[in-house]
Amino acid sequence: QVQMQESGPGLVKPSETLSLTCTVSGGSISNYYWSWIRQSPGKGLEWIGYIYSSGSTNYNPSLKSRITILVDMSKNQFSLKLYSVTAADTAVYFCAREEVGSCSGSNCQNWFDPWGQGTLVTVSS
Amino acid sequence: DIQMTQSPSSLSASVGDRVTITCRASQSISSYLNWYQQKPGKAPKVLIYAASSLQSGVPSRFSGSGSGTDFTLSISSLQPEDFATYYCQQSYRTPYTFGQGTKLGI
Repeated sequence: QVQMQESGPGLVKPSETLSLTCTVSGGSISNYYWSWIRQSPGKGLEWIGYIYSSGSTNYNPSLKSRITILVDMSKNQFSLKLYSVTAADTAVYFCAREEVGSCSGSNCQNWFDPWGQGTLVTVSS
Repeated sequence: DIQMTQSPSSLSASVGDRVTITCRASQSISSYLNWYQQKPGKAPKVLIYAASSLQSGVPSRFSGSGSGTDFTLSISSLQPEDFATYYCQQSYRTPYTFGQGTKLGI
């Protein structure tokens, strides 16, 4: 059974870089899409972006200029860097796997399962 | 971006009640709609995917329906463990987007 665990600093100063890692256990990171999602009281659940095991990425345009998602196959991990953070980036950050179902042409059903437990990151000086 | 709007935002119900939560997309998303349940301090958990498919291990009292722009999540007979917040999410197009949530309380 695949499990996921986020790790990283819980406090980041304004204008600095938020760095988080998601470690996948109980299964391989290969051949899946892996997402970062955050949740804040003000904006609810927000999809940040995903990376495929090959390294291809898709980012939310609202954050695209400030984020990098990378995968490390050797460690079965993927990571998030969010640059130039402000208080608005304070949130619980989740990592999640995209499960893929049936496809119609190039469009496939997909949903997030499983999720990590989430980690609270506060942006404050 | 595709906007997802849930109603109601909060709902009071009792054990044994049947409840329905609605989710509306700002454009047609076919059946690319998922439902999640979230309890305080926990990650969301998928209940329904592809609008009406029940995730393995989820009780059959949960059901989903709809296509295009209008979707519903129904719980046939509320159990104490069902009091939580429910979210819809579209997977038709990135950026994936979520509804604002429906808090189901006593």
